[in-house]
Amino acid sequence: GNSVTQMEGPVTLSEEAFLTINCTYTATGYPSLFWYVQYPGEGLQLLLKATKADDKGSNKGFEATYRKETTSFHLEKGSVQVSDSAVYFCAFSPSGGYQKVTFGIGTKLQVIP
Amino acid sequence: EAGVAQSPRYKIIEKRQSVAFWCNPISGHATLYWYQQILGQGPKLLIQFQNNGVVDDSQLPKDRFSAERLKGVDSTLKIQPAKLEDSAVYLCASSPRVQGDGANVLTFGAGSRLTVL
Repeated sequence: GNSVTQMEGPVTLSEEAFLTINCTYTATGYPSLFWYVQYPGEGLQLLLKATKADDKGSNKGFEATYRKETTSFHLEKGSVQVSDSAVYFCAFSPSGGYQKVTFGIGTKLQVIP
Repeated sequence: EAGVAQSPRYKIIEKRQSVAFWCNPISGHATLYWYQQILGQGPKLLIQFQNNGVVDDSQLPKDRFSAERLKGVDSTLKIQPAKLEDSAVYLCASSPRVQGDGANVLTFGAGSRLTVL
């Protein structure tokens, strides 16, 4: 069945370090892929998205590329800041139908000064 | 535009009691979702409405959970009777019709945190 697998955290990085959070999916066809973020004390919000193979989603310095051949959508940022400390969720939505959105378990990122 | 409104923000009850959560989605959003987020886990879809009809409730524990979306606008999620394992944050989200790029983007409310003692 459809599912998304996300690396478990927590991930602790020093400020200005490079970030990668791995995400792979299992789905038929061409699902839409998302990264959502939950900052401390706030609700879930969309960070970026991609809807077809080789698309790159980007926002706030974060990027993720839709890789159909490896069924992956890894989140990257070249230089993290303390303000990036949050929980990051990979999610996907199958094409067609009612487009149910399925989330991964979340990866907690802590950035230390 | 106003966001997704949820209430109450916090609720503490004892097991076997009942509780109800309310959600008002973004105006004009046809699709409304209720997710359950247990501490340390990702959100799990409980029920998805398209206007006032249910399109997915496959993971809703129907012996104790119920939800309705009268008139295709706001929605209520009820738990009766509650169990200890129902302690979680209940998230409401809404989305418009699928966007031009085919993406179904959800907007979430702040959530309702339930503690069952």
